[in-house]
Amino acid sequence: SAVISQKPSRDICQRGTSLTIQCQVDSQVTMMFWYRQQPGQSLTLIATANQGSEATYESGFVIDKFPISRPNLTFSTLTVSNMSPEDSSIYLCSVNGARDGYTFGSGTRLTVV
Amino acid sequence: ILNVEQSPQSLHVQEGDSTNFTCSFPSSNFYALHWYRWETAKSPEALFVMTLNGDEKKKGRISATLNTKEGYSYLYIKGSQPEDSATYLCAGRSQGGSEKLVFGKGTKLTVNP
Repeated sequence: SAVISQKPSRDICQRGTSLTIQCQVDSQVTMMFWYRQQPGQSLTLIATANQGSEATYESGFVIDKFPISRPNLTFSTLTVSNMSPEDSSIYLCSVNGARDGYTFGSGTRLTVV
Repeated sequence: ILNVEQSPQSLHVQEGDSTNFTCSFPSSNFYALHWYRWETAKSPEALFVMTLNGDEKKKGRISATLNTKEGYSYLYIKGSQPEDSATYLCAGRSQGGSEKLVFGKGTKLTVNP
């Protein structure tokens, strides 16, 4: 199964600033998925990132707040823009490993103060 | 799959105890049910991907069953060990071509030595 390197692993950010999270996969994949888990909540899909096209956002998530880049088949970034304390979450990227299930990055633990 | 529920929310057991958790999901438009194990500060790790009604899968001391007609899956851990302490997530995927996973909130297992 694929191996994903995600960074940063954690950060503490001031409100109003932006943070970009990076995920590097050791093999080429068509789709990459970005999730977040707010405290006490489920892992929730933010968007699906395809190489060469705009990301597809889930209900409740917008491109201006969570811009995504997918410049090639092994890399993607998620930016959390104009952060507020409500954005404090764990952010995870993921790829579909088919029968093996999905592979996840190690997560970015974001605290907005 | 719009809503995936897991119970209990948390569980404390003694080393050597056997335990089980429940995942329930809408049975209509079912495609697959995933189980993941998520330890603190690590990536979620895929345990099982289940698709067929009546499926039973096993990995070491951990096993899972699936009932797609009534919309539930059980995860069993036999002879729990402290290293089994983690949050166990289930996630559903619906028919229709989307690779989106909808996660439950997880069951947090603590195994006391």
